[in-house]
Amino acid sequence: AQTVTQSQPEMSVQEAETVTLSCTYDTSESDYYLFWYKQPPSRQMILVIRQEAYKQQNATENRFSVNFQKAAKSFSLKISDSQLGDAAMYFCAYRSAGAGSYQLTFGKGTKLSVIP
Amino acid sequence: EADIYQTPRYLVIGTGKKITLECSQTMGHDKMYWYQQDPGMELHLIHYSYGVNSTEKGDLSSESTVSRIRTEHFPLTLESARPSHTSQYLCASSEGGGGYHEQFFGPGTRLTVL
Repeated sequence: AQTVTQSQPEMSVQEAETVTLSCTYDTSESDYYLFWYKQPPSRQMILVIRQEAYKQQNATENRFSVNFQKAAKSFSLKISDSQLGDAAMYFCAYRSAGAGSYQLTFGKGTKLSVIP
Repeated sequence: EADIYQTPRYLVIGTGKKITLECSQTMGHDKMYWYQQDPGMELHLIHYSYGVNSTEKGDLSSESTVSRIRTEHFPLTLESARPSHTSQYLCASSEGGGGYHEQFFGPGTRLTVL
């Protein structure tokens, strides 16, 4: 079974600075999908960014980018120019690309605080 | 607007009561999921459905049950609520076919059993 590890239970960043959240995963599969979700306090969980294992280029969405290292099984999230609205729980998630595999395996999450 | 809805958002109820948490989505997704999450903690999959009349238990054992009679509707029922059921329940959906199949989440129901 796949596992997802987020080794930083809590992180903090100064407003306008850059922060990187780490995520590692364990799998024997060669094709899969990786996601970062954001859950603001008392608000809906939303998708931040996604990456397919067969795509070598790192995904980017505005201020959010990932560093995908397939050999190292690492999928870190970089947030540039941090804003107060970035304060949230961030969850890394894995999904197998195998036929009929739609479930997500989540990490335990990283709580990000943004300091004004 | 295509979205996923959960009602009620908050529920405080006494021990032994039967409750149903509602989840509906207007995105036409055939796959739906229920997660249990304690505040600030990880998500645990408790039920999922890949289509009408298809339901499966997730990784976390739960005393709740689910049904999927219509594509857009995936309610969760607790026949006799207990304080140990106090938690947040998140509903999600995803589309079928090839591709990322990212899950879209509802706002959650925060359940407190006294």
